[in-house]
Amino acid sequence: GENVEQHPSTLSVQEGDSAVIKCTYSDSASNYFPWYKQELGKGPQLIIDIRSNVGEKKDQRIAVTLNKTAKHFSLHITETQPEDSAVYFCAARPNHSGTYKYIFGTGTRLKVLA
Amino acid sequence: NAGVTQTPKFQVLKTGQSMTLQCAQDMNHEYMSWYRQDPGMGLRLIHYSVGAGITDQGEVPNGYNVSRSTTEDFPLRLLSAAPSQTSVYFCASSYFRLAGYSYNEQFFGPGTRLTVL
Repeated sequence: GENVEQHPSTLSVQEGDSAVIKCTYSDSASNYFPWYKQELGKGPQLIIDIRSNVGEKKDQRIAVTLNKTAKHFSLHITETQPEDSAVYFCAARPNHSGTYKYIFGTGTRLKVLA
Repeated sequence: NAGVTQTPKFQVLKTGQSMTLQCAQDMNHEYMSWYRQDPGMGLRLIHYSVGAGITDQGEVPNGYNVSRSTTEDFPLRLLSAAPSQTSVYFCASSYFRLAGYSYNEQFFGPGTRLTVL
């Protein structure tokens, strides 16, 4: 069935360093790839997304890259700050007629050490 | 706007009891969905709806029922709770077919933490 693998499950970086989280999806019909940040005790919040007709998207310190051939997409956070510490989820939306499901990765716990 | 609201925030049930988790949104979103979040398993889709009167199953629908009688509300019903349904439940909503796309930013509620003894 449809599957999204996310790595690593935990990531610790020093403040100011970069963090990269990688996801791989199984369904080649996927055409939308959002990334969510979840802080403790709260619901996930969208931080950036990318559609299948684009290879890269950037928003200030956050960027997402997509390799459709390899079915990989990655989240890049530069100049990390303590407030970036949270759990990050990737997701993929397969584009099949009549179905509108989102498949999530298992999450990455990012710790930014001051 | 209140966004997506969920009630209750916490609930403890005994095996076999039934209950309804409430979800409401005031953004006039057509798409609404329910997820459960378990440690190490991310978010798994239970049921979703693309509009009033329309619902469909997600990855893990067994043991749960939904209905969508209005645009605003999307309740999740547990008919006979089981310990395996202990989890944190999130409701989410988004526009559907905005600008021609059938996917848009999902807004999540604060979650309901359910324990089944």
